[in-house]
Amino acid sequence: GQNIDQPTEMTATEGAIVQINCTYQTSGFNGLFWYQQHAGEAPTFLSYNVLDGLEEKGRFSSFLSRSKGYSYLLLKELQMKDSASYLCAVPNQAGTALIFGKGTTLSVSS
Amino acid sequence: EAGVTQFPSHSVIEKGQTVTLRCDPISGHDNLYWYRRVMGKEIKFLLHFVKESKQDESGMPNNRFLAERTGGTYSTLKVQPAELEDSGVYFCASSPGHSYGYTFGSGTRLTVV
Repeated sequence: GQNIDQPTEMTATEGAIVQINCTYQTSGFNGLFWYQQHAGEAPTFLSYNVLDGLEEKGRFSSFLSRSKGYSYLLLKELQMKDSASYLCAVPNQAGTALIFGKGTTLSVSS
Repeated sequence: EAGVTQFPSHSVIEKGQTVTLRCDPISGHDNLYWYRRVMGKEIKFLLHFVKESKQDESGMPNNRFLAERTGGTYSTLKVQPAELEDSGVYFCASSPGHSYGYTFGSGTRLTVV
């Protein structure tokens, strides 16, 4: 089966750095996605990792370790607008859909 | 380009009634997906269309749910009759090829009372 775990909630202050972890168990591996979702809005794509290592994209970076079944999303120089739910997802075994974690709600305060 | 559009944004219906949700994907996107998020749970896959054909409907909860995509453009998801446990946010997503570069819609929040 496939399973994804990520923390339910995290809090941080403006300007800080926060790391959101995700562990997964899959039958086969076809990459890992991170999405951001503001309340009442559509999930929006942040990153896709298929190889081990860190991929940086502006203030956001995503890391993958396939041997450990582990990924994290790193957010730097936090801003209030970064308050949102962050979703970790992997493709299902058939490769026809995404399996999502429950999401991590990040609250950024001033 | 216009994004994925879902209608209505909110719907409140009584148990036993019928509701039809609509999704307009990005023009030219052959792949269309329906997902659902029930309160407190993760977003879960319902089904996948390629053009007008259902490629995978393994996530559909039961036969009260019917999805169609006539003509391979917009899609509808009908719930008949609705039950309390059907409450949640229904998301539609589309992609140009069989990839995961999804674009999601903002969802339809369905409340069954």
